[in-house]
Amino acid sequence: EVQLLESGGGLVQPGGSLRLSCAASGFTFSSYLMTWVRQAPGKGLEWVSSISGSGGSTYYADSVKGRLIISRDNLKDTLHLQMNSLRADDTAIYYCTWGGGATGSGIDYWGQGTLVTVSS
Amino acid sequence: QSALTQPPSVSGSPGQSVTIPCTGTSSDVGGYNYVSWYQQHPGTAPKLIIYDVSKRPSGVPDRFSGSKSGNTASLTISGLQAEDEADYHCCSYAGSYNPFVFATGTKVTVL
Repeated sequence: EVQLLESGGGLVQPGGSLRLSCAASGFTFSSYLMTWVRQAPGKGLEWVSSISGSGGSTYYADSVKGRLIISRDNLKDTLHLQMNSLRADDTAIYYCTWGGGATGSGIDYWGQGTLVTVSS
Repeated sequence: QSALTQPPSVSGSPGQSVTIPCTGTSSDVGGYNYVSWYQQHPGTAPKLIIYDVSKRPSGVPDRFSGSKSGNTASLTISGLQAEDEADYHCCSYAGSYNPFVFATGTKVTVL
């Protein structure tokens, strides 16, 4: 059974930092692209960042480029999102996601999400 | 990285059909056969219901169907049921540096 368990969310002041983690199980983690998707309160879904199976290629939405850093530990089957210079509009539920098909084909599995609140 | 466009809401009576359009451009919806749709009930994570424009994952009822014409994809729910009341999100691939472009989401209300 595929499981994605996020952790690390919480309340942080504007300009602050936070590190999200996602523990994956039930599939060959190192073989697949992993992706973070977020959802601001009452809003739609927004792609944040993706990382290749090896970790050698990373991709970012323009809205987070230069502030958020995606990484992975294939020995521990864990995905990370280092969030720096946080702004109020980064407030959202952050989902760790995985799709078992071709990139862009569809996101089969979603974690339960972790809430990040940026506020003073 | 512009979002795709969906109507904010659609509604229908039980047993009726509703269709949700998702409009993009030739750089996303029109350029690839990688459109997916997600159902989201309040307080829960999204669930994949359509991938590759028109394919259904195992366990998704066949009253959900997807299609695409040009730069517009569509999700049709036939034989609307009370449990179909939820938010529906469209998503398209737009290249390796922009693998998931989401739409604004549509709330489906069962009257």
